[in-house]
Amino acid sequence: ETGVTQTPRHLVMGMTNKKSLKCEQHLGHNAMYWYKQSAKKPLELMFVYSLEERVENNSVPSRFSPECPNSSHLFLHLHTLQPEDSALYLCASSQDRTAFNYGYTFGSGTRLTVV
Amino acid sequence: DQQVKQNSPSLSVQEGRISILNCDYTNSMFDYFLWYKKYPAEGPTFLISISSIKDKNEDGRFTVFLNKSAKHLSLHIVPSQPGDSAVYFCAARSTADSNYQLIWGAGTKLIIKP
Repeated sequence: ETGVTQTPRHLVMGMTNKKSLKCEQHLGHNAMYWYKQSAKKPLELMFVYSLEERVENNSVPSRFSPECPNSSHLFLHLHTLQPEDSALYLCASSQDRTAFNYGYTFGSGTRLTVV
Repeated sequence: DQQVKQNSPSLSVQEGRISILNCDYTNSMFDYFLWYKKYPAEGPTFLISISSIKDKNEDGRFTVFLNKSAKHLSLHIVPSQPGDSAVYFCAARSTADSNYQLIWGAGTKLIIKP
């Protein structure tokens, strides 16, 4: 399988649940990203991993916890979320963080609904 | 305050005509700009980019124009096709940013009418 794959595609969870989003890339990229997309808003960068090390955390609440066990996999662990966290969560990868001439490759996203 | 603005939430264009999507930015340090296209239930896909050393970049039906003095860029699609109906995001970055962040606009939904 090629590209960036995200699972699950849809997730409904209660505010007390714990769940995880998974992202996998088979492009040989060294950087991976979590983005949040809310309706009619710009994409919000949440986390950046470069060579499996977290290099950025854009003031994301601690109820979101990323994990990058290797260069091909990225997880976003969710616990005690709020209804306003309902959004499309997108994973992306790039050749490396500094690759200005290359775009990001995005997964299809996980549509998360918190009830 | 949004550094990259796409002021038109949506745009409707007749098939075969030219579609023009606009993007304004406020940070004069931005020197690389990208356009992404997003279909429903899919992630954004990279479309075309332009460096600030150029004022135009063309790829088939897609052309991006950059006006640095006006801090404005536009994406032209000629001729528009039904498959072009999607949300288009503008993004920008600066080589001076040690975080190499991409700053995104909120997107413009393009509808191509048959």
